[in-house]
Amino acid sequence: QSVLTQPPSASGTPGQRVTISCSGSSSNIGSNTVNWYQQLPGTAPKLLIYSNNQRPSGVPDRFSGSKSGTSASLAISGLQSEDEADYYCAAWDDSLNGHVVFGGGTKLTVL
Amino acid sequence: EVQLLESGGGLVQPGGSLRLSCAASGFTFSSYAMSWVRQAPGKGLEWVSAISGSGGSTYYADSVKGRFTISRDNSKNTLYLQMNSLRAEDTAVYYCAKGRTSLYSSGWYAFDYWGQGTLVTVSS
Repeated sequence: QSVLTQPPSASGTPGQRVTISCSGSSSNIGSNTVNWYQQLPGTAPKLLIYSNNQRPSGVPDRFSGSKSGTSASLAISGLQSEDEADYYCAAWDDSLNGHVVFGGGTKLTVL
Repeated sequence: EVQLLESGGGLVQPGGSLRLSCAASGFTFSSYAMSWVRQAPGKGLEWVSAISGSGGSTYYADSVKGRFTISRDNSKNTLYLQMNSLRAEDTAVYYCAKGRTSLYSSGWYAFDYWGQGTLVTVSS
């Protein structure tokens, strides 16, 4: 059971906008910034969004992040077939001397 | 170009030990926090441990505390993970990951570069 809760799956058709949610608590999302990672099949994760809504250089602006209270969301607009991947949220958790927590991951399928 | 190259994975018996290494290049290694993140077969990501640029501060997941030790040699630009008392549930691909900033800056735990991973299998 992951500390951050994500839906196990999401889907959309090309061109659509999809959102993936990430729910936490006051000790993690509620008091720290959220990061999002994309993991394509058979590859290492890639940083997609950091500090709630910042995109690293090279990440298309189709990807956006937001945070409100103890929840965060990743939005993907103009969905493309190459977006089919696993997506993970992560945050710092202040409990137990501090540690990084990940969501369980969301498998995005492009129909 | 930032590169992270893990090594040291393999098959080990329960109760055994293994040391993973991560050779870093393309950035000022001593200026950044580094972490280990693992992924069990078919499962999600699990953060394992982190270390400050100087090596003076470390963090561990509860699941590995007391069994794993993270360290770094800044003269060799290399990160290590000493794993003792290994269990079947430690079986995973272990990734080395670079923090975006120093451990003492906010948001350091955004991992902007990852290695390709090294597989650790704990089995008799």
